[in-house]
Amino acid sequence: LAKTTQPISMDSYEGQEVNITCSHNNIATNDYITWYQQFPSQGPRFIIQGYKTKVTNEVASLFIPADRKSSTLSLPRVSLSDTAVYYCLVGGGGGGNKLTFGTGTQLKVEL
Amino acid sequence: DVKVTQSSRYLVKRTGEKVFLECVQDMDHENMFWYRQDPGLGLRLIYFSYDVKMKEKGDIPEGYSVSREKKERFSLILESASTNQTSMYLCASKSPGLASTDTQYFGPGTRLTVL
Repeated sequence: LAKTTQPISMDSYEGQEVNITCSHNNIATNDYITWYQQFPSQGPRFIIQGYKTKVTNEVASLFIPADRKSSTLSLPRVSLSDTAVYYCLVGGGGGGNKLTFGTGTQLKVEL
Repeated sequence: DVKVTQSSRYLVKRTGEKVFLECVQDMDHENMFWYRQDPGLGLRLIYFSYDVKMKEKGDIPEGYSVSREKKERFSLILESASTNQTSMYLCASKSPGLASTDTQYFGPGTRLTVL
């Protein structure tokens, strides 16, 4: 399974755009890239998923370059409530059911 | 909305006790998972099940077993609890199929303390 590498922590201020980059050098052809968000004392929650190029939903955007060896989660105009841990995962392709979580990125948003 | 429930939010057990953690999902999902989460280590997969009575080891199965007798219920068993099993335990479920639908739905977690 592809291993992911992301920054341990990031700090931002309300209203700013936050970009969290994840490296996954050995991503497989059939793997998708998925991001989850986790608040304290809660289970992770799905944010966004993509295979290539750009995906956007009401919460975030996901940018994936052509070589797919990295991806960037973009959170527009963050607020205090976006303070959470963000996990990047790769996998799920080819009928596989197992996804591997890394250590995640702790995002702290301040006033 | 998918609902995944876990039997307890907080649990305190003693070393050597047998511990059962229960997870129930209401979306008829085939796949269910048990993770543990520890500071600095993220989420680590213990076991998963892709059908009733089917199970596969995850990354850290030692000291744990699982049971899936009904589709909606996936149990994690600690045969003889040890202090190094003190952790947050998270259950998840998802439906199989195309990767574009590979979203895992998580329960609220059970914080287990083994004394």
